[in-house]
Amino acid sequence: GAVVSQHPSWVICKSGTSVKIECRSLDFQATTMFWYRQFPKQSLMLMATSNEGSKATYEQGVEKDKFLINHASLTLSTLTVTSAHPEDSSFYICSAARAGGSGDEQYFGPGTRLTVT
Amino acid sequence: KNQVEQSPQSLIILEGKNCTLQCNYTVSPFSNLRWYKQDTGRGPVSLTIMTFSENTKSNGRYTATLDADTKQSSLHITASQLSDSASYICVVSATKDDMRFGAGTRLTVKP
Repeated sequence: GAVVSQHPSWVICKSGTSVKIECRSLDFQATTMFWYRQFPKQSLMLMATSNEGSKATYEQGVEKDKFLINHASLTLSTLTVTSAHPEDSSFYICSAARAGGSGDEQYFGPGTRLTVT
Repeated sequence: KNQVEQSPQSLIILEGKNCTLQCNYTVSPFSNLRWYKQDTGRGPVSLTIMTFSENTKSNGRYTATLDADTKQSSLHITASQLSDSASYICVVSATKDDMRFGAGTRLTVKP
């Protein structure tokens, strides 16, 4: 159990358009989901923490109006990159914390490769 | 300054050999320390998780150690395989949702 999926696995979009990335916990309920960004040869950088039914908490330096996060249900969180620019090209990874768990159990999705042309 | 430092940054070994990766941290308070394996273009997969009271944890050919006094951890890989080629990330949690990531060690196993 504890499978997290992301869709799409990769996406190419034109500069100025918006892209939505979905993160789903397939076999468990996740009260908290996390969104990370990873640039080549660097480690994951936390962008925001989203709790089901409430507004996301963004890390310092992450523009909340540019990276829209919606956690509408216990199994789905979405990240929308608005007005994408080439510098937004990155690997976006979500993770989900199991509801009722110790909070120490986080399961990562496979990631979404975003390329903005 | 990153509170989780990993070394070496990259490592190349021959198939069948053993290797040890290091992780030093200054994160405080301390909740747990995890090692993840991340294949290129994939999300991280948990290998081990250790709390303050645990000083060793094994998962197959992977053995992690933790010295909470010196704030050091190591990941030992035994009898390496080509499929072990990946980035290995040390993550230290201060609180439930506060995970501090190391930059990772890029391991390449050559035949």
